[in-house]
Amino acid sequence: GENVEQHPSTLSVQEGDSAVIKCTYSDSASNYFPWYKQELGKRPQLIIDIRSNVGEKKDQRIAVTLNKTAKHFSLHITETQPEDSAVYFCAASPGANNLFFGTGTRLTVIP
Amino acid sequence: NAGVTQTPKFQVLKTGQSMTLQCAQDMNHNSMYWYRQDPGMGLRLIYYSASEGTTDKGEVPNGYNVSRLNKREFSLRLESAAPSQTSVYFCASSEENRGGWTQYFGPGTRLLVL
Repeated sequence: GENVEQHPSTLSVQEGDSAVIKCTYSDSASNYFPWYKQELGKRPQLIIDIRSNVGEKKDQRIAVTLNKTAKHFSLHITETQPEDSAVYFCAASPGANNLFFGTGTRLTVIP
Repeated sequence: NAGVTQTPKFQVLKTGQSMTLQCAQDMNHNSMYWYRQDPGMGLRLIYYSASEGTTDKGEVPNGYNVSRLNKREFSLRLESAAPSQTSVYFCASSEENRGGWTQYFGPGTRLLVL
């Protein structure tokens, strides 16, 4: 099955700085890569996703890049704000509408 | 729309007790899922149901059973709870969205097995 690795497990940045979270996947058939944000005690919520026919996607302060050859994808958050503090999960889908999640990155934005 | 709802929110069980976690969605999604979330391990798929009447095992199915009661409801049953099943359980449903499957999660059930 698919194996998704996520790094770093924790990340602290100063408010206004950028944050980057990286994930790798093992199954070359994976073609859909969503990112979820989970605030403390809340449910995971989709923040951005990318499909395998696209190399980069941006939505305001967040962007995701995908390198299919190297089997890795990354989340970039610019101009970080305290409300960006949360746990972020990457995921990969090799089809059949299943997702395989990374182990999460706890992002702390220091005011 | 309520989206995905789960009951109960919290539950404490003794080892060997049984219980059923309930999940319902009102988004007319075909696919539904049960995950468990443990510290440092992300979300792991227990069972999923691609459509009404079908269920399949995920990554960690041992000790659990599921029932897709109808299109809206997907329940998870622990027949004989063990301390290793202490976790937060999330139900999700999904829709196909431009070549990908966006999953929507319920609020979660926190389960403690003593």
